[in-house]
Amino acid sequence: DAMVIQNPRYQVTQFGKPVTLSCSQTLNHNVMYWYQQKSSQAPKLLFHYYDKDFNNEADTPDNFQSRRPNTSFCFLDIRSPGLGDAAMYLCATSRDTGYSTDTQYFGPGTRLTVL
Amino acid sequence: AQTVTQSQPEMSVQEAETVTLSCTYDTSESNYYLFWYKQPPSRQMILVIRQEAYKQQNATENRFSVNFQKAAKSFSLKISDSQLGDTAMYFCAFMKYGSGNTGKLIFGQGTTLQVKP
Repeated sequence: DAMVIQNPRYQVTQFGKPVTLSCSQTLNHNVMYWYQQKSSQAPKLLFHYYDKDFNNEADTPDNFQSRRPNTSFCFLDIRSPGLGDAAMYLCATSRDTGYSTDTQYFGPGTRLTVL
Repeated sequence: AQTVTQSQPEMSVQEAETVTLSCTYDTSESNYYLFWYKQPPSRQMILVIRQEAYKQQNATENRFSVNFQKAAKSFSLKISDSQLGDTAMYFCAFMKYGSGNTGKLIFGQGTTLQVKP
């Protein structure tokens, strides 16, 4: 029954070592989002895909990139993780972006630790 | 730019009692939606309730209701008959809509609610 799946749930990487987080969805939604949630802070949108169109937030560091090879999957790549990138990364999906009824469905998150 | 503020980092309530979580926001947008999301410990965030800003009537979903004061830019969540399963972090969120809308949610800092037996 899981609708938005994130793998792995916990990821440990070393300072500067590239890491990839994965998100998949069974909802066939058009939109997929990546949020970063640091400890005791609000989730913050990094970027989103509308279908194949990539939309980056203006303040998202260049160190973060994303890929969406098909409707179901979306990846978050961190090219050179720093200590400040340790956070929970949340993936979300929605059918569209125009209406309040386009509810965002969240995955359980991947907690990234950078050593 | 829009901001969302939740001034209560932590709250607690006895089971079966009522609790109100506060949220204020700042925006110059005319068209927007407001949401409350719940994030239980180690589980995914789920939508609790939504409010369209153009609607004057406060939204209600079973034991959850909101008090939406548009002029004051206030959007509080009331949980009636609190249950142990309501223990979670609650986020208030803002989303503008209209031309070029991206569906971006702007979240408050969150309020951790503990329901005590």
